[in-house]
Amino acid sequence: KAGVTQTPRYLIKTRGQQVTLSCSPISGHRSVSWYQQTPGQGLQFLFEYFSETQRNKGNFPGRFSGRQFSNSRSEMNVSTLELGDSALYLCASSPGENTEAFFGQGTRLTVV
Amino acid sequence: AQSVAQPEDQVNVAEGNPLTVKCTYSVSGNPYLFWYVQYPNRGLQFLLKYITGDNLVKGSYGFEAEFNKSQTSFHLKKPSALVSDSALYFCAVRDYGGATNKLIFGTGTLLAVQP
Repeated sequence: KAGVTQTPRYLIKTRGQQVTLSCSPISGHRSVSWYQQTPGQGLQFLFEYFSETQRNKGNFPGRFSGRQFSNSRSEMNVSTLELGDSALYLCASSPGENTEAFFGQGTRLTVV
Repeated sequence: AQSVAQPEDQVNVAEGNPLTVKCTYSVSGNPYLFWYVQYPNRGLQFLLKYITGDNLVKGSYGFEAEFNKSQTSFHLKKPSALVSDSALYFCAVRDYGGATNKLIFGTGTLLAVQP
């Protein structure tokens, strides 16, 4: 069974631009979550989607948004990029409630 | 609010010796606890979880964790460390309140195993 796939692996963007990151969960998993990892703030929860509905959102500005498609694939978008958005963005999928999350390799975003 | 704490930024151990990475938790309700490992420039790999049942949980790669309710701890252990175990380890707790798989992570502990 294929794992969680995130694309692209690496991105370099300029301040003010926007970016879209993609996540394909493990087949059959309907729950997808996104996390931001930085050296200063550690791992922070962005949002969670289940069956195309956002059911949880972290404490991030409105520039961060996401969505989930009917095939459970998910995208997150960051608009008006700031230098502080440079981070490793991790996607995780889960098969059900109260189960472990399986993480992708992440997308390393660098904002210059 | 749910939280976990990892009191050690780094743990050093010699290869072949037992290792312990500490985690304490603070939760409302029953704790759902997890351990993950991260290698450089990689995502997180699931090691083990405690939902309910036996206090000693066995996981991947020879790791185990002991759930202690009275001490609100969930320490990760391995009887004999390998150099390849050197990585960043995260303890996590599932958030509380409704249906969610949201995890709240500790700050991470860097494990360094010396040959």
